[in-house]
Amino acid sequence: GAVVSQHPSRVICKSGTSVKIECRSLDFQATTMFWYRQFPKQSLMLMATSNEGSKATYEQGVEKDKFLINHASLTLSTLTVTSAHPEDSSFYICSARDGREGLADTQYFGPGTRLTVL
Amino acid sequence: AQSVAQPEDQVNVAEGNPLTVKCTYSVSGNPYLFWYVQYPNRGLQFLLKYITGDNLVKGSYGFEAEFNKSQTSFHLKKPSALVSDSALYFCAVRESGYSTLTFGKGTMLLVSP
Repeated sequence: GAVVSQHPSRVICKSGTSVKIECRSLDFQATTMFWYRQFPKQSLMLMATSNEGSKATYEQGVEKDKFLINHASLTLSTLTVTSAHPEDSSFYICSARDGREGLADTQYFGPGTRLTVL
Repeated sequence: AQSVAQPEDQVNVAEGNPLTVKCTYSVSGNPYLFWYVQYPNRGLQFLLKYITGDNLVKGSYGFEAEFNKSQTSFHLKKPSALVSDSALYFCAVRESGYSTLTFGKGTMLLVSP
């Protein structure tokens, strides 16, 4: 099956620092990757959609200068939380679409990254 | 616009009994429907999807779901629940021609021994 990895799984940082989260599709090429944020006991909130080689599309209310997304290759997307603050603490999950099935393709999710900003 | 409703915050079932987790959807065109499961502090695992064809879809771990167009529903089912099935279940819809999934709020399934 399609596997998506995320690194790191957990990160604790000081307020004001930047944190980079990597998302990789391990056994398929992902033309489209997605970044979600999940608060405790809540559903996933889509932050942005990234397509390989082009700029990410951010959802309304998501600061693109704060959450930098780079989709440099068909297997790697990164999310950088810049100048992190405690309110950025959350569970961040990436997903990748396996485009081999065309319009019917499935999104596969990474295991998530728990970010804690002190 | 596309939307998903999971009317139950929590479903309780005894081990060995059948389980149903409900999901209804709203789309303008043809729906692609998905079920995912999430264990604590983990990402989402894909269970099954409906794209077209047979209304009864079989997926991982013995789960199945029935697509009902007239009722716009896609309920998740399993004939015999296991304690290990206890987790958070998400229904999601993507309208054909759109790239993004819309998730329901999730339903916590608790299977008691």
